[in-house]
Amino acid sequence: GAGVSQSPSNKVTEKGKDVELRCDPISGHTALYWYRQSLGQGLEFLIYFQGNSAPDKSGLPSDRFSAERTGGSVSTLTIQRTQQEDSAVYLCASSRSAPGLNNSPLHFGNGTRLTVT
Amino acid sequence: AQSVTQPDIHITVSEGASLELRCNYSYGATPYLFWYVQSPGQGLQLLLKYFSGDTLVQGIKGFEAEFKRSQSSFNLRKPSVHWSDAAEYFCAVAPLFSGSARQLTFGSGTQLTVLP
Repeated sequence: GAGVSQSPSNKVTEKGKDVELRCDPISGHTALYWYRQSLGQGLEFLIYFQGNSAPDKSGLPSDRFSAERTGGSVSTLTIQRTQQEDSAVYLCASSRSAPGLNNSPLHFGNGTRLTVT
Repeated sequence: AQSVTQPDIHITVSEGASLELRCNYSYGATPYLFWYVQSPGQGLQLLLKYFSGDTLVQGIKGFEAEFKRSQSSFNLRKPSVHWSDAAEYFCAVAPLFSGSARQLTFGSGTQLTVLP
């Protein structure tokens, strides 16, 4: 596709349920990032995948959060036992290569708006 | 630790008026600086970036930003705002020669409203 695709665009779930958010990066982009955007806040880094290297998980807020990237392409962010404070927009971004910034800008998806009731 | 401050949460301007969005950063050295725009329901789009050279950088959609080392600022400007510019704008900073967007720090954003 032409851009980063995320699904679903909106997700409403009950507290305690598990959710999966999907990200399809731009074809050929080796770097993939997940960010969380809470109301009135900037973007909070969650996790970073680069090629076949071990992911940088240092931004994940708790062990209820996990992510995987299969075949170096599609990524899934999983939140277990959701809490109300997990409500946010979850943004995925990809870039052509690492380093991700110097000459490979981030391309963002439209995000998944998660609401935990 | 690096940080980014966008002091204006919300700005309203009339269409055709000039615009300046403020961004101040805190970092021990000259960082890599960015401005992103986010339209409703959309992801972030890169407007412009600075990491060296001319301190006045031109971006897409008629935007420009000026890096002022003495003021630790990277303010975004546009001479004449269009209604389609209504969106949220994020300033971001990363260490120069950053190897990963892990080190990319975003400000909390400025919401721009454009009046007809």
